[in-house]
Amino acid sequence: DQQVKQNSPSLSVQEGRISILNCDYTNSMFDYFLWYKKYPAEGPTFLISISSIKDKNEDGRFTVFLNKSAKHLSLHIVPSQPGDSAVYFCAALKPGNTPLVFGKGTRLSVIA
Amino acid sequence: KAGVTQTPRYLIKTRGQQVTLSCSPISGHRSVSWYQQTPGQGLQFLFEYFSETQRNKGNFPGRFSGRQFSNSRSEMNVSTLELGDSALYLCASSLVPRQGALAKNIQYFGAGTRLSVL
Repeated sequence: DQQVKQNSPSLSVQEGRISILNCDYTNSMFDYFLWYKKYPAEGPTFLISISSIKDKNEDGRFTVFLNKSAKHLSLHIVPSQPGDSAVYFCAALKPGNTPLVFGKGTRLSVIA
Repeated sequence: KAGVTQTPRYLIKTRGQQVTLSCSPISGHRSVSWYQQTPGQGLQFLFEYFSETQRNKGNFPGRFSGRQFSNSRSEMNVSTLELGDSALYLCASSLVPRQGALAKNIQYFGAGTRLSVL
């Protein structure tokens, strides 16, 4: 049973435009969410996070939005750059000593 | 500050063999987690170690095991390899395990060990 879902396996965006990556979750116990970016032949790199008491967190070009009632979060990248081309993973944590639960990832291609 | 180091980077084994993978966490980090990444399943949690003790275990068969040493370095072992064990094995470290509800817990990943079972 997939508790964290990234329903779009891939996304293509023009350079300079906005990239929106989506993530849905089923377990209402999740209280902390993270986005990781992964380039080929490298491990995932932490990008941005948000706790469940917030609905938005911004860091430079990256903003994460959380809609708890819809159990949905999204990552916005503005403006998108070719170097943003990577696989993006959404991950979630429950309270207590439990492991990260990852989505299957979305491959973002930013076209120059 | 050096990142998470995993060795070897690539490994080719045959069915039935066993394999040991190594992970050196970021200096000062005491919690180490292991994940398996496959194209169909994404990142699946294997286990987490802290202070040489396994604190969490994912839903993998007993052929998968691990340990952590007093210097926080960790190894994972897979015995009796099967074709389906071919995957990228990722190690991640954090200062300590998550400290409670709403607590921030950032895990930093190594580049992984690519295991191919023939």
